[in-house]
Amino acid sequence: KNEVEQSPQNLTAQEGEFITINCSYSVGISALHWLQQHPGGGIVSLFMLSSGKKKHGRLIATINIQEKHSSLHITASHPRDSAVYICAVRRAAGNKLTFGGGTRVLVKP
Amino acid sequence: NAGVTQTPKFRILKIGQSMTLQCTQDMNHNYMYWYRQDPGMGLKLIYYSVGAGITDKGEVPNGYNVSRSTTEDFPLRLELAAPSQTSVYFCASSPWAGEQETQYFGPGTRLLVL
Repeated sequence: KNEVEQSPQNLTAQEGEFITINCSYSVGISALHWLQQHPGGGIVSLFMLSSGKKKHGRLIATINIQEKHSSLHITASHPRDSAVYICAVRRAAGNKLTFGGGTRVLVKP
Repeated sequence: NAGVTQTPKFRILKIGQSMTLQCTQDMNHNYMYWYRQDPGMGLKLIYYSVGAGITDKGEVPNGYNVSRSTTEDFPLRLELAAPSQTSVYFCASSPWAGEQETQYFGPGTRLLVL
């Protein structure tokens, strides 16, 4: 079983819909990252969080440390949000990230 | 700042050939990483470096070598290329490693071994 599991693997939404991507992990962590991989392949960091909730524009990330679960929400989705969203965790001990398999999101106009 | 740059963008290799994937960052970051991304799979760490002259293995180091002679450059060497090394390779860097770390990724190198 992978240490970091994402669901769903694929998601299709209509423009304007609210999107939720889930990430569950099985190890103790010091931080969790959400990244976005554009269709062209480039990867950018969206959020890093160790507790609570963070918001940036239409993106909201939450984490529940006790339940070992994080969610990434996209409000009022837009076709430009189409990308692969990747969850990664930093173990409580160590300086390396472990990545989930990604969630491919397609937002149709 | 150019950030993290990688060359080449795409390469086809024959089995048994060797090549070096180049990675350069201009942010004066101490930490640098090499990952591979296989279709439908998460990024896997190949090697990483915590500073010039210091490198260490990640999850999947077999078939690869690295060096870190300067802060800026972190080349990845493939010796005796195999079809299993067909993948997209990403280089990343960060100023430090820890709870507040953010990694900055290069654009990737797509490698096909035939």
